[in-house]
Amino acid sequence: DTEVTQTPKHLVMGMTNKKSLKCEQHMGHRAMYWYKQKAKKPPELMFVYSYEKLSINESVPSRFSPECPNSSLLNLHLHALQPEDSALYLCASSQHPGQGVVETQYFGPGTRLLVL
Amino acid sequence: GIQVEQSPPDLILQEGANSTLRCNFSDSVNNLQWFHQNPWGQLINLFYIPSGTKQNGRLSATTVATERYSLLYISSSQTTDSGVYFCAVTSQGGSEKLVFGKGTKLTVNP
Repeated sequence: DTEVTQTPKHLVMGMTNKKSLKCEQHMGHRAMYWYKQKAKKPPELMFVYSYEKLSINESVPSRFSPECPNSSLLNLHLHALQPEDSALYLCASSQHPGQGVVETQYFGPGTRLLVL
Repeated sequence: GIQVEQSPPDLILQEGANSTLRCNFSDSVNNLQWFHQNPWGQLINLFYIPSGTKQNGRLSATTVATERYSLLYISSSQTTDSGVYFCAVTSQGGSEKLVFGKGTKLTVNP
């Protein structure tokens, strides 16, 4: 099974709301990722977790707060977002890359976020 | 950082035609993946191919790592092949960061 699941599929929120995106995988992968994709653009990396520890933060604003409670679950907490944060948010996972080894990344279906 | 260029940016085909999509990258890589993004946004893995040649049904891919390019071949195209095809790489000696090209938008008409 190479499935990564994401909830919710769609989310509409106001600029003062707090919401969370959830990502789950049961493939035993130890690296998990958040990407942001604007319309007609490629996905852009936001965060990487390796063995439940944050290993890469691509200078993402603090209104996005990632959390990895366990090896199967990845959350993205959203607070005080701006309309320009509206996008498709994609989660991915891979076997832990290890030193110099990078494995296939598997993507979830994404959450379409609209900030009003 | 590593640069990834895909060509052509847009491609329109009639059903049954064959096509070749190209991905050039600016540095040595230890991961190269081809994805198909369907109209609903799902990124579907096609190939993990940092080097060599692979085939899966009507699709095949070749990466020539020494010359820093990869090709994706689609034969006997079908309307369901429509969507955006992305090439993504991680640079050798770099981190787990997967860098995407801008994609090729494929439209297959019946």
